[in-house]
Amino acid sequence: SQQGEEDPQALSIQEGENATMNCSYKTSINNLQWYRQNSGRGLVHLILIRSNEREKHSGRLRVTLDTSKKSSSLLITASRAADTASYFCATSGATNKLIFGTGTLLAVQP
Amino acid sequence: DAGITQSPRHKVTETGTPVTLRCHQTENHRYMYWYRQDPGHGLRLIHYSYGVKDTDKGEVSDGYSVSRSKTEDFLLTLESATSSQTSVYFCAISDDQGQNYTFGSGTRLTVV
Repeated sequence: SQQGEEDPQALSIQEGENATMNCSYKTSINNLQWYRQNSGRGLVHLILIRSNEREKHSGRLRVTLDTSKKSSSLLITASRAADTASYFCATSGATNKLIFGTGTLLAVQP
Repeated sequence: DAGITQSPRHKVTETGTPVTLRCHQTENHRYMYWYRQDPGHGLRLIHYSYGVKDTDKGEVSDGYSVSRSKTEDFLLTLESATSSQTSVYFCAISDDQGQNYTFGSGTRLTVV
């Protein structure tokens, strides 16, 4: 079974708006990572947050992690049409296996 | 992606035939992984390796086997391909800390 479940499954917004995606997971983790995948392409690593961190920023991305609730969120600010993609959270634990959620499909309308 | 290549990129095969997909890395990482991606499921781990000849099963390993005879190569074999194995297969590598993952460009496999 998947480790992570993401919410919403699909999100459609206008350019310039913020996009928030949520991820819940089941077991203890060492870190949680977010990836982007453009249609038909490979995965691109966006950001990693360790289990002892609560928030992390990278450019227009902000990730939060709440280990007590086993949840994370990814915020993309001032979205652009080029941000249109699928976004996946993935968790890494003691065995280094990266286990993915089911993904959020983000559509940014120009 | 730099440092990791998959071959072939596309393959069509018939039900019941064996198929081998190759993942090659130039980063000298111990950890290598095979995933499959299907609509509605995201990426699911098939097998992974933590060193030469050291492999373990992931969550969807039935019908698949792997081999790692060299650090740089990780092979995924479908012993007898079935239509349910039609999917996009991704290889990945990571450092020992499980923090830096790099994914290949994927192999689109169609079993007819």
